Amino acid sequence: QVQLVQSGAEVKKPGASVKVSCKASGYTFTSYGISWVRQAPGQGLEWMGWISANNGDTNSAQKFQDRVTLTTDTSTLTAYMELRSLRSDDTAVYYCARDGQYSSVDFDSWGQGTLVTVSS
Amino acid sequence: QLVLTQSPSASASLGASVKLTCTLSSGHNKYAIAWHQQQPEKGPRYLMKVNSDGRHNKGDGISDRFSGSSSGADRYLTISSLQSEDEADYYCQTWGTGIPGVFGGGTKLTVL
Repeated sequence: QVQLVQSGAEVKKPGASVKVSCKASGYTFTSYGISWVRQAPGQGLEWMGWISANNGDTNSAQKFQDRVTLTTDTSTLTAYMELRSLRSDDTAVYYCARDGQYSSVDFDSWGQGTLVTVSS
Repeated sequence: QLVLTQSPSASASLGASVKLTCTLSSGHNKYAIAWHQQQPEKGPRYLMKVNSDGRHNKGDGISDRFSGSSSGADRYLTISSLQSEDEADYYCQTWGTGIPGVFGGGTKLTVL
């Protein structure tokens, strides 16, 4: 069955960077994309960006474009999301989700989430 | 602008049915949406995709108690024979050409 397993919780200081991983199994990795979605405490879901695991094309939400880098490693079937210049309001649970191969469509499988806490 | 509108809350009794609504913004009534469930303290789970013609495709292992439908700009999620574990937040999500990753604000369902 499709599984997305994310890396563990992180605590970072303001201004630092964080890199979250998402390891896929149970499907052909390069036939899909991965989207990243975050959820601040008590808030709704916020889409951050998408990457095609087939060709590495990316698309990010405007508010994250200058701070986020999305990558994949097809040899390990892993997607990565790096967020730089962290602020306290970046404290959130970050999720990866399986998405379309050529563009972001519907997210049909989710990772378990990674809590990132930004605090001095 | 592509926007999804959901009621913040809904409630229904154990064993009853409930119909949640997600409304697409004006001019976007042909768009498909997806429904996701988020139980307390858990991550989201994909339920189904609902097309503008009402056809829906459920995710693996999703109970027959969950169904989707459409009318105009409205997309619905119906949950029948409500169980306590159905108490959760329900998010709709849509996408378009050059418009990825749009979420509704979510509906908090309480099972009485």
